[in-house]
Amino acid sequence: QQQVKQSPQSLIVQKGGISIINCAYENTAFDYFPWYQQFPGKGPALLIAIRPDVSEKKEGRFTISFNKSAKQFSLHIMDSQPGDSATYFCAASGQGTYKYIFGTGTRLKVLA
Amino acid sequence: NAGVTQTPKFRVLKTGQSMTLLCAQDMNHEYMYWYRQDPGMGLRLIHYSVGEGTTAKGEVPDGYNVSRLKKQNFLLGLESAAPSQTSVYFCASSSPTRTTTEAFFGQGTRLTVV
Repeated sequence: QQQVKQSPQSLIVQKGGISIINCAYENTAFDYFPWYQQFPGKGPALLIAIRPDVSEKKEGRFTISFNKSAKQFSLHIMDSQPGDSATYFCAASGQGTYKYIFGTGTRLKVLA
Repeated sequence: NAGVTQTPKFRVLKTGQSMTLLCAQDMNHEYMYWYRQDPGMGLRLIHYSVGEGTTAKGEVPDGYNVSRLKKQNFLLGLESAAPSQTSVYFCASSSPTRTTTEAFFGQGTRLTVV
């Protein structure tokens, strides 16, 4: 079963625009919500992560917004650049097992 | 510092053949994972291990076996390969702390079963 739902499947943004990717989870026992970035032919790499005790976390141009009551979180990429073109995965973990459950991924393309 | 290394990077198998994928990490991580990545399906957890000598099933364990005889290595075996196992396989490791449970991924193994 899909415990983490991610949308959209693909996204095209103009250079300098804002990219927004959304995720929703079901299991309230999750307590760690990372976003991973994957370039073609490479393994995913951690981009930014948040825990449910805060509603927002910002690192440079990347921001996670977290809504605990709605069980949703989103990634915002400000001033999107062609180098940001990649596949982005949201994930959730917790339940005391540290298993990572991933969303289905969003392929982002930033046009120059 | 190599991080997480997967062997081999590419492989073509015939239906019914067996093979073992090797994952090695040099970060002294306790936890290790095997995922498969398929178009539109994201990353799905096959098996994982929380320490040397222990393994557990993930979301899609059927057709796979694993072993963790040494802390730094996590092996994924396919006893009788099927075309449905054509995928890109990723190994990952982590060592959770109070502030982060970051998983580090290998470069992947692209497996084709014909």
